[in-house]
Amino acid sequence: EVHLVESGGGLVQRGGSLRLSCGASGFPFSDYTMHWVRQAPGKGLEFVSSIKGNGRITSYGGSVQGRFTISRDNSRNTLYLQMGSLRAEDTAVYYCAGDSRVNYFDYWGQGTLVTVSS
Amino acid sequence: QSALTQPPSASGSPGQSVTISCTGTSSDVGAYNYVSWYQQHPGKAPKVIIYEVSKRPSGVPDRFSGSKSGNTASLTVSGLQAEDEGDYYCSSYAGGIYVIFGGGTKLTVL
Repeated sequence: EVHLVESGGGLVQRGGSLRLSCGASGFPFSDYTMHWVRQAPGKGLEFVSSIKGNGRITSYGGSVQGRFTISRDNSRNTLYLQMGSLRAEDTAVYYCAGDSRVNYFDYWGQGTLVTVSS
Repeated sequence: QSALTQPPSASGSPGQSVTISCTGTSSDVGAYNYVSWYQQHPGKAPKVIIYEVSKRPSGVPDRFSGSKSGNTASLTVSGLQAEDEGDYYCSSYAGGIYVIFGGGTKLTVL
């Protein structure tokens, strides 16, 4: 059975940093492009960041470019998102998702809430 | 890049059909046949229901269908059922490993 479990969310002050983790099991993690997608309270889905299976190619949404860093440790089946210079508008549930093809997010975690206080 | 454009709401009675549009640009929806649709119920993670414009993952009812014309993709839900009520999001590949989402459509079954 596939599991994606996010952790590391919580309350952080504006300008602060936080690192999210996403532990994966039940599928060939290193073969999957992994994504972070966020959803602000009552709002829609927003692409945050992606990383290819080998970890060598990454991409970021415009609103987080330069402040967030995605990484992965295939030996630990874990995805990370280092978030810095946090703003109130970064408040959201952050989901990790696995992509086995192109733009095919077949596996999703349950999400972790990040709240940035001003 | 801006979000893909979806109508904020759609509705239909049980048994009817409803179509949700998703408009992008020639750099995303129009450029690639990698449009996906996700269904999200309150408090839950999204679930993929259509990928590569019109393919259904196993387990997704064939009441859900997708299509694309130019820069606009569409999701049609036929034979509406109460459990279809929820939020629907389109997404498109936009080059590299970059993905763009639509703003979401709230589907109400009357």
